[in-house]
Amino acid sequence: SQQGEEDPQALSIQEGENATMNCSYKTSINNLQWYRQNSGRGLVHLILIRSNEREKHSGRLRVTLDTSKKSSSLLITASRAADTASYFCATSGEETSGSRLTFGEGTQLTVNP
Amino acid sequence: KAGVTQTPRYLIKTRGQQVTLSCSPISGHRSVSWYQQTPGQGLQFLFEYFSETQRNKGNFPGRFSGRQFSNSRSEMNVSTLELGDSALYLCASSSSGTGYNEQFFGPGTRLTVL
Repeated sequence: SQQGEEDPQALSIQEGENATMNCSYKTSINNLQWYRQNSGRGLVHLILIRSNEREKHSGRLRVTLDTSKKSSSLLITASRAADTASYFCATSGEETSGSRLTFGEGTQLTVNP
Repeated sequence: KAGVTQTPRYLIKTRGQQVTLSCSPISGHRSVSWYQQTPGQGLQFLFEYFSETQRNKGNFPGRFSGRQFSNSRSEMNVSTLELGDSALYLCASSSSGTGYNEQFFGPGTRLTVL
């Protein structure tokens, strides 16, 4: 079963707008990673945020982490049609050994030109 | 550095057959994990190998198995295929396998069972 839930399940916006996706999880974590997936292809790593970090930026991406609420958000600014994809959060938990990731259900983002 | 590679990219098998999928991690990475992705169940962890040892296993039947070689390349095998095994199989590599580092995924192998 999935640890996390992502919200919304689907998001449709116009090019140039910002897109915000949320992820919640259930157990304590070491870190949280965000991935992008285009049309059933492989997962592209976007960003990793550690449990002791609150915010991280990478280009047009901004990720926040609130461990007290067990939630994270991914903000994509000035979206482009090429950002159309599914976005997943994945956690690496304190209670699991090794590199095991637990994924959310994903948000399908559509950016209309 | 080259990314994670997976072969083959597509496979079509019939029920009852077996299949072997291959994953080559990023050079220098010693941890390889496998995941199954289906529309109904999402992304689910199969198992993880580190330095040729299985360190973690998900909740899948014994028909799913894997191994890792001394060069860190990994294979997973599914025996006695069922229709429900149709999925995208993804592998991921990580440098330390501690859970603190980024994990990078390959393009996946799309398995269709008829």
